[in-house]
Amino acid sequence: QVQLQQSGPGLVKPSQTLSLTCAVSGDSVSSNSAAWDWIRQSPSRGLEWLGRTYYRSKWYNDYAASVKGRIIIIPDTSKNQFSLQLNSVTPEDTALYYCAREDNDWHWIWGQGTMVTVSS
Amino acid sequence: QVVLTQSPSASASLGASVKLTCTLSSGHSNYAIAWHQQQPERGPRFLMKVNNDGSHTKGDGIPDRFSGSSSGAERYLTISSLQSEDEADYYCQTWGPNWVFGGGTKMTVL
Repeated sequence: QVQLQQSGPGLVKPSQTLSLTCAVSGDSVSSNSAAWDWIRQSPSRGLEWLGRTYYRSKWYNDYAASVKGRIIIIPDTSKNQFSLQLNSVTPEDTALYYCAREDNDWHWIWGQGTMVTVSS
Repeated sequence: QVVLTQSPSASASLGASVKLTCTLSSGHSNYAIAWHQQQPERGPRFLMKVNNDGSHTKGDGIPDRFSGSSSGAERYLTISSLQSEDEADYYCQTWGPNWVFGGGTKMTVL
């Protein structure tokens, strides 16, 4: 049974970097049949997909246009986890952040969510 | 980019059935979609994938009361024998050219 456990700070100052980690159990981040995503949710933007990382003989990343240039998603095979880094945050980045696993059949498993507030 | 349209709200009585709709934007009527449920104060839970032919595959542990179907550009989620715990927000999702979500339908069980 795949489980995702999120961790990271709930408060980030404007212009700084938001960093969250998602620890995976029950599967490998190097799986050839899964991808590892970050999604956020806010009242103004609803559910917004941010990006993903996945391994298909080599590592790939896809990022949403809305955050491209500010986002990095990094897999860590030694710890079987993946991380989100979002740079130069503003109050508009305040949201509930979720990590998730998608498989080739579009079946999803979600993490528990982390509320991140951007404020000085 | 594909757009998914959902009605903001729906309601039905305990024990009744309800059919929620997700409409794909023009030119994307052959796309599959996924349905997710978000109960109050909880994270989303994957329910099922619905293909353009109406076939669907459900997530682990999803009750038989939940089913999916399709007609043209519309994808449906039907919930039978409504229970109080079905009161939740329901989101559809598809890929094109990245993951896109609908605005969600808030389902109230009367």
